Amino acid sequence: AQKITQTQPGMFVQEKEAVTLDCTYDTSDPSYGLFWYKQPSSGEMIFLIYQGSYDQQNATEGRYSLNFQKARKSANLVISASQLGDSAMYFCAMREDMDTGRRALTFGSGTRLQVQP
Amino acid sequence: GAVVSQHPSRVICKSGTSVKIECRSLDFQATTMFWYRQFPKQSLMLMATSNEGSKATYEQGVEKDKFLINHASLTLSTLTVTSAHPEDSSFYICSAPARWGQTGTEAFFGQGTRLTVV
Repeated sequence: AQKITQTQPGMFVQEKEAVTLDCTYDTSDPSYGLFWYKQPSSGEMIFLIYQGSYDQQNATEGRYSLNFQKARKSANLVISASQLGDSAMYFCAMREDMDTGRRALTFGSGTRLQVQP
Repeated sequence: GAVVSQHPSRVICKSGTSVKIECRSLDFQATTMFWYRQFPKQSLMLMATSNEGSKATYEQGVEKDKFLINHASLTLSTLTVTSAHPEDSSFYICSAPARWGQTGTEAFFGQGTRLTVV
């Protein structure tokens, strides 16, 4: 079974508008972390935002916010005021067993976001 | 801050030759390093986990003899693609896990290596 599911292969958004990238996850581990990464065409992985399973509040980092709905097992990324430079591939990822910090990330299939002028 | 430096960023090699990719942790000690492979327009898939001072752990379906991983020190992990074939052409990226409570609580990724086997 897929541990991380991103159902949107591609998304378009107008510059300055907000966009939501969907992510659902599956785990039975009570201690896990959810991450979003941006991957431009250069290939580097750029960390955007993190949400811990025990965090009570949704994470925010500048224009990025994470809509964490634990009961639904969803962790959608919201990008506000989209910019042309936001065009890239976006990956949702999860790490289980966060207490040890030694587990690898499991990635979703990604969403390609294109911001239009 | 903590950085993982990966080299080379891009390599083209002939079929049948071997290629070594290095990942160095700068300013911190990485006892564990994860190696991922990413085919074009696909996700990152974990290949193996290297641990300093012990044998690497490979994911199911990854050939140990083809993808040699060595974690010789707390700051260096290497992936050697042996007898490379065109189907090994891919983007390889390493990552060191962040400790719980570390600033950002994120994994530290290398810049990636784009391997093309001709």
